[in-house]
Amino acid sequence: KAGVTQTPRYLIKTRGQQVTLSCSPISGHRSVSWYQQTPGQGLQFLFEYFSETQRNKGNFPGRFSGRQFSNSRSEMNVSTLELGDSALYLCASSIGQAPRGYTFGSGTRLTVV
Amino acid sequence: AQTVTQSQPEMSVQEAETVTLSCTYDTSESDYYLFWYKQPPSRQMILVIRQEAYKQQNATENRFSVNFQKAAKSFSLKISDSQLGDAAMYFCALDKLTFGKGTLLTVNP
Repeated sequence: KAGVTQTPRYLIKTRGQQVTLSCSPISGHRSVSWYQQTPGQGLQFLFEYFSETQRNKGNFPGRFSGRQFSNSRSEMNVSTLELGDSALYLCASSIGQAPRGYTFGSGTRLTVV
Repeated sequence: AQTVTQSQPEMSVQEAETVTLSCTYDTSESDYYLFWYKQPPSRQMILVIRQEAYKQQNATENRFSVNFQKAAKSFSLKISDSQLGDAAMYFCALDKLTFGKGTLLTVNP
């Protein structure tokens, strides 16, 4: 059974650009959550999608957005990149919304220069 | 607002010994889940153990066990017979939304 797949693994972008990250959940998992991990702030929740609808949203500016497709794959977009957006972005999937535990991907390492 | 606090930024343990990682949390919910995750250098977060708040019995998974004190809002992780492969960053988490800052565990041979 394939795990959670995040692409790309590494990304370097310039300030002001935008970026799209992709997450393919485990087959049958309908909930996808996104997190930003930085050395200073630790792991912070970005948002959660279930059945193509955003169910929860963390405390991030509107430059951070996401969506989920009918096959449960999810994308996250960050517009007008800032240096502080450099981070490891993790995606996690679970069967349902209930927080019984979820499987993480290996993350996308975004560097903004 | 929910909070999770891990007061030990770093811990070390000798191989085959036992170590306990601390976690305290705060929530106004009466029903919730608590988790311990392990993140090795490969970056992938791996679920170590899960505790449902309404269950009084402490969860165990092989060498990993928790001491869940609901009234004190404490959720510590005990690793018995530590192995070199246990070396990683350990995160305590409350439901899906809130993570602690992590404890870096070093296992000395």
